[in-house]
Amino acid sequence: DQQVKQNSPSLSVQEGRISILNCDYTNSMFDYFLWYKKYPAEGPTFLISISSIKDKNEDGRFTVFLNKSAKHLSLHIVPSQPGDSAVYFCAAWAGSEKLVFGKGTKLTVNP
Amino acid sequence: KAGVTQTPRYLIKTRGQQVTLSCSPISGHRSVSWYQQTPGQGLQFLFEYFSETQRNKGNFPGRFSGRQFSNSRSEMNVSTLELGDSALYLCASSETTAVYGYTFGSGTRLTVV
Repeated sequence: DQQVKQNSPSLSVQEGRISILNCDYTNSMFDYFLWYKKYPAEGPTFLISISSIKDKNEDGRFTVFLNKSAKHLSLHIVPSQPGDSAVYFCAAWAGSEKLVFGKGTKLTVNP
Repeated sequence: KAGVTQTPRYLIKTRGQQVTLSCSPISGHRSVSWYQQTPGQGLQFLFEYFSETQRNKGNFPGRFSGRQFSNSRSEMNVSTLELGDSALYLCASSETTAVYGYTFGSGTRLTVV
């Protein structure tokens, strides 16, 4: 079963607008969440994370929101830039020695 | 400091053969994890090693195996290759535990023909 779901395979936004990437999870034991960005032919790179004791974490243009009751998190990118075009993976940690990843959302930011 | 290094970058193998992939973690990182990425499937966890011990294993057949050496370098081996094993294999290292986030290598692209 898929414990971390990114239901939108792709998203297209205009430069300067907001990008919102969504992620849902089913395992209530997850208590730490991370977002990774991946460019073609490169490994994923860490972007931002949030602990389950928080509902928001900001880092520059990137903000992650966590709604524990809905088991939902989202990544907001404001303003979006063409260089943000990449595949974004949501990942969750439940105290084991692995991260559980979603299938990814491909973001395209159009100039 | 140097990042996570995976070799080779690209590999083409024939069905039935075996393959060994290598990963050198960031200096000081003792945990090495392996993931398989296929189109539409995201990153699937293979296994994780810490101080030469396998701490966790994903739901892959026994044809997939790995090990870690005393210098934290890790190898993964796939025997009796199948066409479905074609994928990007990613290695990630972290200091102790995945909660602090991984640093990924660029991956090894394996094509089985």
